[in-house]
This record gives sequence, C-alpha cells and structure tokens, in this order.
Amino acid sequence: DAKTTQPTSMDCAEGRAANLPCNHSTISGNEYVYWYRQIHSQGPQYIIHGLKNNETNEMASLIITEDRKSSTLILPHATLRDTAVYYCIVTTENAGGTSYGKLTFGQGTILTVHP
Amino acid sequence: DGGITQSPKYLFRKEGQNVTLSCEQNLNHDAMYWYRQDPGQGLRLIYYSQIVNDFQKGDIAEGYSVSREKKESFPLTVTSAQKNPTAFYLCASSIRLTNYGYTFGSGTRLTVV
Repeated sequence: DAKTTQPTSMDCAEGRAANLPCNHSTISGNEYVYWYRQIHSQGPQYIIHGLKNNETNEMASLIITEDRKSSTLILPHATLRDTAVYYCIVTTENAGGTSYGKLTFGQGTILTVHP
Repeated sequence: DGGITQSPKYLFRKEGQNVTLSCEQNLNHDAMYWYRQDPGQGLRLIYYSQIVNDFQKGDIAEGYSVSREKKESFPLTVTSAQKNPTAFYLCASSIRLTNYGYTFGSGTRLTVV
C-alpha cells in the first residue's frame, strides 16, 4: 500500500471550512483514498473514499488531484464536534489476497475546531 | 439500533493471565476485525475474519487468538505470550471483506498490572 503524509495538527474556526491535505505520491492506479476520523477514545468513523473523481457525501467532500498524488478532505462548515484525528489511507479496495480488508492507520492529523 | 458492542469498556488484569475481549455485532456483517491502538499511534490490525469459522492473521497477531463460531461474535483473547498487552482494543465489522464502510465499536481499554 502507498504511504501517506499528513500534517500532524491543524486548527480551524467554527463555521469555516476545514481543508485537510494528504500526500500520497506513490499511489498506484488501483489504489483508493479513504478518510476516517477518530474522536478521542472512540472507534474510528468512516467519512468518504474515492479513486480519481471528486466525491461528496453528507459529511465531507474529497478532492483528488489529477495526478492522484495528493488529496484534500473538506469539511464545509466545521463544528466543535468535528474535533478529531483524521486518517488518510491509501489501499486497494478489492485486491483479494493480503491487502483486502487491511486498512493501515498512520498517525493522522489532529484537527482542532475553535469557537 | 444496529451496531457493534465491545465489553467491557475498561479491563484490568494481572500479568501472566489470559483475558478475552468481547465483540458482538447485529449488523449482519460478514467481516470482522480486531485492531490495537497505543497512545498517540494509529491502529494496527491483529486478526480479521471473512466468514464464520475462518480468520486470518493481521500485522501483529503474535500473542493473540480469536474465534468466529457465530457470525455475530468475534472474541479476542490476549494471552500471556503477548509481551506488551496494555492498549486500547478496537473491533470493527464490514458488510464484506472490504476497505470502506467499516463500523467500529467503542473499544476496550486493557491495562495489565
């Protein structure tokens, strides 16, 4: 699986958009970008995933660059409850074999939303 | 409501004792997973199971054992062979063996003294 690089921490004002970057320069053609978040002492929560097109759901938007070497998770109107660790993960969705179902969580980005 | 239940939330054991962590889901998910998280670290995969009576080792399976006798249940035993068992343990499930749409439990914090 490709390695990802995320900033250690970020701050955001409540009500503003939170833009969380992720670099994955070694991503291969069949690898997806996944985002999860973990609120302190709870289990991670799935947010969104994508292959090459931008994606949007009720929680967030995912913007993937054309060369797919980086992506940005956007929380359009951050609230205090969005304070969490955000994980960017790159892996194959359905490779079969060893990578199937084995999400690797790095250290993520600690997002702090301020009033 | 459907979800994953991990119990207990906090668990204390003496060194050298085996301990079993419970994980039950009523989501009718086929796949289940166990992760370990240490302070300030990401999650590391211990074991995962695609179907009943089948399971595979993850990245850090040594010192752990699992069983999958029922679709709803995937208990994890931390054995005395695990050198550093104190950690936060998370159970997850998904509708099939896939990488998205995991549902996680609320975790069990194990402290070995």
